[in-house]
Amino acid sequence: GAVVSQHPSRVICKSGTSVKIECRSLDFQATTMFWYRQFPKQSLMLMATSNEGSKATYEQGVEKDKFLINHASLTLSTLTVTSAHPEDSSFYICSARGLADEWNEQFFGPGTRLTVL
Amino acid sequence: LAKTTQPISMDSYEGQEVNITCSHNNIATNDYITWYQQFPSQGPRFIIQGYKTKVTNEVASLFIPADRKSSTLSLPRVSLSDTAVYYCLVRSSGSARQLTFGSGTQLTVLP
Repeated sequence: GAVVSQHPSRVICKSGTSVKIECRSLDFQATTMFWYRQFPKQSLMLMATSNEGSKATYEQGVEKDKFLINHASLTLSTLTVTSAHPEDSSFYICSARGLADEWNEQFFGPGTRLTVL
Repeated sequence: LAKTTQPISMDSYEGQEVNITCSHNNIATNDYITWYQQFPSQGPRFIIQGYKTKVTNEVASLFIPADRKSSTLSLPRVSLSDTAVYYCLVRSSGSARQLTFGSGTQLTVLP
């Protein structure tokens, strides 16, 4: 099946710094990538949807200036958490959807654990 | 989007068959039912998808009654490694809609 990778898998940073998370589709081209956030013992919450070459669409309550998303190619999307604070500590998961996909099948990455001290 | 309701948690023993039922009373005609599995600190993994009656693959079966207002994921002879959260989702084919995850069911398999 299709493989999606994320880097880094785990990151610890100081409050006020920015962190970039990469999401790559390894063996297919992804027209759309999704970014989710998951707090402990909770479900996945969609943060934003990004289409290659266009601006991301953010869900209500998600600050677009804090969570910068770039989808510059069909195989790479990045999420930058700017001026991170402890409350941004969470598990960030991306997914990617391929071209000509009738079922909108999304393939998920392994996630990135962000800890802000 | 059709809302889904499933039990928060279930316990089972190794070797037993586990059935997790999901309610989706407002499912639309062009909606499909999809189940994902998620292990701790990992992304969700697709298990099975169906529209009606029964679908079976190498890991699970999905039973959908005629009214499609519910569905049951059946895991045969579970093992300890099946301990995970299982999510039931309803989604449309040919649509640009994103996936909406409900609360999921925490399945714990005991020795």
